[in-house]
Amino acid sequence: NAGVTQTPKFQVLKTGQSMTLQCAQDMNHNSMYWYRQDPGMGLRLIYYSASEGTTDKGEVPNGYNVSRLNKREFSLRLESAAPSQTSVYFCASSEVETFYGYTFGSGTRLTVV
Amino acid sequence: QQQVKQSPQSLIVQKGGISIINCAYENTAFDYFPWYQQFPGKGPALLIAIRPDVSEKKEGRFTISFNKSAKQFSLHIMDSQPGDSATYFCAARPMFSGSARQLTFGSGTQLTVLP
Repeated sequence: NAGVTQTPKFQVLKTGQSMTLQCAQDMNHNSMYWYRQDPGMGLRLIYYSASEGTTDKGEVPNGYNVSRLNKREFSLRLESAAPSQTSVYFCASSEVETFYGYTFGSGTRLTVV
Repeated sequence: QQQVKQSPQSLIVQKGGISIINCAYENTAFDYFPWYQQFPGKGPALLIAIRPDVSEKKEGRFTISFNKSAKQFSLHIMDSQPGDSATYFCAARPMFSGSARQLTFGSGTQLTVLP
């Protein structure tokens, strides 16, 4: 089925470790996003990519880096994980002007101990 | 700072009742107001959306009411069912063109519909 695929689904890291969250979409969307979801905080934008070759910071970019590898793939990297980065991470994609909003992946639950 | 404020944080409704979730926004430069539904362990999924030139939009049991002057919009779920139990997010999209028009989300409402 068409959609947004995220890997891994679960991950436990030790403080200071690094990891990359992978995201791929097969809907030929131009824009991709990384959000984190924390209780009572809703969904907060970390980084986004309006189109292939461009990336921009969102509301909470500190401690993260991204790469728009091609039109399909948008990865999120934690260089030195901290307990404050314990969260559920969602990747999403959209057309820039669509009325139909975002398509989200199923999320990555990350715990930093 | 949050530009979209959502309430209540949690809501318990009896089966067959009406669920109402409210959102208020501060920035008038929004042109699209979607609602997302999220089940446990899943990503949010678009439920229904409205543009500010319309005061109400209905799709089945779900209705968005929009009050442009008050900068408020709400989701009404009629005849609520246990299968509606989920977390609901309102959101708003800025109207400026160019770049990715990223959504700003409310903090979410956890709805529980009792059988």
